Amino acid sequence: EVQLVESGGALVQPGGSLRLSCAASGFTVSSYFMDWVRQAPGKGLEWVSVIYTGGITYYADSVKGRFTISRDNSKNTVFLQMNSLRAEDTAVYYCARDSRFLGQGMDVWGQGTTVTVSS
Amino acid sequence: AIQMTQSPSSLSASVGDSVTITCRASQGIRNDLGWYQQKPGKAPRLLIYAASSLQSGVPSRFSGSGSDTDFTLTISSLQPEDFATYYCLQDYDAPYTFGRGTKLEIK
Repeated sequence: EVQLVESGGALVQPGGSLRLSCAASGFTVSSYFMDWVRQAPGKGLEWVSVIYTGGITYYADSVKGRFTISRDNSKNTVFLQMNSLRAEDTAVYYCARDSRFLGQGMDVWGQGTTVTVSS
Repeated sequence: AIQMTQSPSSLSASVGDSVTITCRASQGIRNDLGWYQQKPGKAPRLLIYAASSLQSGVPSRFSGSGSDTDFTLTISSLQPEDFATYYCLQDYDAPYTFGRGTKLEIK
């Protein structure tokens, strides 16, 4: 079964750091683009970051310089390292398989992990 | 960054009705647009990719059209399970951007 499972969400103080994980099963993360998308409480979806099959990465302006996306092919897992966290980073974070290079979209999503930034 | 203007922000309709949601891009994005459905407390679900291609397993009452800057999602013969929030997403150029969403409610 094709599946994504996020973990690592927590309550963290402003200025702190957190690393989210997205473990994949049923497919190989290195063969797909992989994205992170977030949703603040009561708000819409916000795209956060993508890692391409070749390792190129892109970020939303709101997180550039603070967040880093990466993957570990041996663990078939994608990560989102989040530093210098702010209250406005509070959200549910989803990872998604991105089949864009096949002409398709984000066709597999995890259940989400909750990040709360508060003192 | 490319801006996606989605309208309406909310919509009230009855079971059996047909509804249309639109997204306009601030610049041309070819057909690099997807439509996603989200229900409360759940992850988004891909409905339409490449502006008009139906994702596997999605009912045929969902359809998408458009190219360049103007796109539409049409849901014909609304079913009770279709009441949700819908988002467009441009993946033409990073940073990708979502529309602000359309909440479809039961009249």
